[in-house]
Amino acid sequence: AQKVTQAQTEISVVEKEDVTLDCVYETRDTTYYLFWYKQPPSGELVFLIRRNSFDEQNEISGRYSWNFQKSTSSFNFTITASQVVDSAVYFCALSVVGGYGNKLVFGAGTILRVKS
Amino acid sequence: DVKVTQSSRYLVKRTGEKVFLECVQDMDHENMFWYRQDPGLGLRLIYFSYDVKMKEKGDIPEGYSVSREKKERFSLILESASTNQTSMYLCASSSPGQSMFNEQFFGPGTRLTVL
Repeated sequence: AQKVTQAQTEISVVEKEDVTLDCVYETRDTTYYLFWYKQPPSGELVFLIRRNSFDEQNEISGRYSWNFQKSTSSFNFTITASQVVDSAVYFCALSVVGGYGNKLVFGAGTILRVKS
Repeated sequence: DVKVTQSSRYLVKRTGEKVFLECVQDMDHENMFWYRQDPGLGLRLIYFSYDVKMKEKGDIPEGYSVSREKKERFSLILESASTNQTSMYLCASSSPGQSMFNEQFFGPGTRLTVL
């Protein structure tokens, strides 16, 4: 069965601190994709990144970086020099093959609070 | 700009009422999804549709049905609303394109309260 675990329910940091959000996944598929989404207070999930199971290269986008390690089934997300606007709920998700389209299995989410 | 819209941001209904949640996307996407979001549980898939009039059950379809008569519109129906269906409902769409793992685009959500 596919499963995504985000063990951190809530994290609070002070602005400019670095913060890492953990994501551990389970799947028996050899081909899969991992995603991170951000849900700001407005409610709409915003896509951040997609990574396929064959590409373990880390990725950096501005203050955001992602560390994918198949050996530990983890896909962690780091925000460098956090800002108040980073306050949101962050979801990690695993895409699995199902029927005619991809289905996403989401973790429970991590609430990030960045204080000024 | 990519757009998924949902008919209501907030909805209050009474137990036993039939409830319709509407979702419209303007990206000509084949796939559409309905999720419910509850604290501590993340998003759980209720139903999805990969084409007009085609649908598949997700992980928690009990108490729900769906309708997709046009490509751009996907409706979630609560046949007889119950208090345990109080939740945030999120609609999403995606296009298989060259990859069946394309990202999903989400609407703003409908917060449904059943009294």
